Amino acid sequence: DADVTQTPRNRITKTGKRIMLECSQTKGHDRMYWYRQDPGLGLRLIYYSFDVKDINKGEISDGYSVSRQAQAKFSLSLESAIPNQTALYFCATSEGGIKGETQYFGPGTRLLVL
Amino acid sequence: AQSVTQLGSHVSVSEGALVLLRCNYSSSVPPYLFWYVQYPNQGLQLLLKYTSAATLVKGINGFEAEFKKSETSFHLTKPSAHMSDAAEYFCAVSGSGGYQKVTFGIGTKLQVIP
Repeated sequence: DADVTQTPRNRITKTGKRIMLECSQTKGHDRMYWYRQDPGLGLRLIYYSFDVKDINKGEISDGYSVSRQAQAKFSLSLESAIPNQTALYFCATSEGGIKGETQYFGPGTRLLVL
Repeated sequence: AQSVTQLGSHVSVSEGALVLLRCNYSSSVPPYLFWYVQYPNQGLQLLLKYTSAATLVKGINGFEAEFKKSETSFHLTKPSAHMSDAAEYFCAVSGSGGYQKVTFGIGTKLQVIP
């Protein structure tokens, strides 16, 4: 079974709709992240969380919100989706406290906003 | 501030030929450097990382990278390309003090020609 899972894997929605992307992990890591990937732009950090009570904005948090429901669960919400939020979204985890800690990625959610 | 520049968004090599993917970094503190690989319809996975130990770093699947401080480079190489190496490769940098977010390059798509 995958260590980091994301649901749904694909989603089509309309402008103005609220949607939630979910991430679960079985790695026991404290740190979790949400990124979006756009062609030619690489990965950009949306939000990150070091534990259930510690949530921080990344470089492109506008239009997004997150919830860390438990150590293993980190959800990303688009309150009112817009077409330029069409992208591939990745959840990742890391152990923390390690030099050059490795990030472990989920398989991604492909979102299309019409 | 930190950044990485990946030279060439698309690289094509013949099967059996040398693979060279270029990455230059900028960091105001001693960096940690990473190469991640993304196979089609999958999340990123760590290929190798530099954390200030040996400057020549060996990774999975026969890849290696050399940290050259004087050139601010961390190029990825593999002596002989295999068809299964076709993927997108991301160079990334983080700082070495406390939590330093990871900054990803835009990615290089490697095509292997039979």
